[in-house]
Amino acid sequence: EAQVTQNPRYLITVTGKKLTVTCSQNMNHEYMSWYRQDPGLGLRQIYYSMNVEVTDKGDVPEGYKVSRKEKRNFPLILESPSPNQTSLYFCASSGGGHGYTFGSGTRLTVV
Amino acid sequence: AQSVSQHNHHVILSEAASLELGCNYSYGGTVNLFWYVQYPGQHLQLLLKYFSGDPLVKGIKGFEAEFIKSKFSFNLRKPSVQWSDTAEYFCAVMRGSSASKIIFGSGTRLSIRP
Repeated sequence: EAQVTQNPRYLITVTGKKLTVTCSQNMNHEYMSWYRQDPGLGLRQIYYSMNVEVTDKGDVPEGYKVSRKEKRNFPLILESPSPNQTSLYFCASSGGGHGYTFGSGTRLTVV
Repeated sequence: AQSVSQHNHHVILSEAASLELGCNYSYGGTVNLFWYVQYPGQHLQLLLKYFSGDPLVKGIKGFEAEFIKSKFSFNLRKPSVQWSDTAEYFCAVMRGSSASKIIFGSGTRLSIRP
């Protein structure tokens, strides 16, 4: 089944403790992207990648890092999480101009 | 700056009522347009998309949308809503052919009274 898999689904952590949210797609898509969803603000793009080793900032990149060493994986790294990064995060992939397939989301709480 | 505007933040309808959700974008070049739906507690799913051709596009579950280029609009419609349509709806715009540049609206929450 074609899908985007994110882990974990839920995460509670403390301020400053590094964490990684994994994202993997099995559709051989070139494009991958991370979004955060906050009430009243819709989805805002954090980072995106157009192919292996090609990444770029989205609209809200501060406090996040990404890497794209393999085509299928696009992890999101929070080196020093802060409470304002409490949010619902979605990974998405696309094989071209056909819109994104989204993962199931990761609800992150930073206390 | 390019943006996507969804004017209705929360819409409440009774079952069988007709639905129209507004979406306007500000980008002047070539665009691909999407509507996504997010059911409670779930991820976003593609409802329909417009790339070219007939400006009236039909999607899943009886939804349709009309692209009006002169108005920079892509409104979502459904003739008769059901309780199961309760969800949040997001309009999205892809600028040109770059899949990395999809911009989402802030969403419209749709509540259907049984």
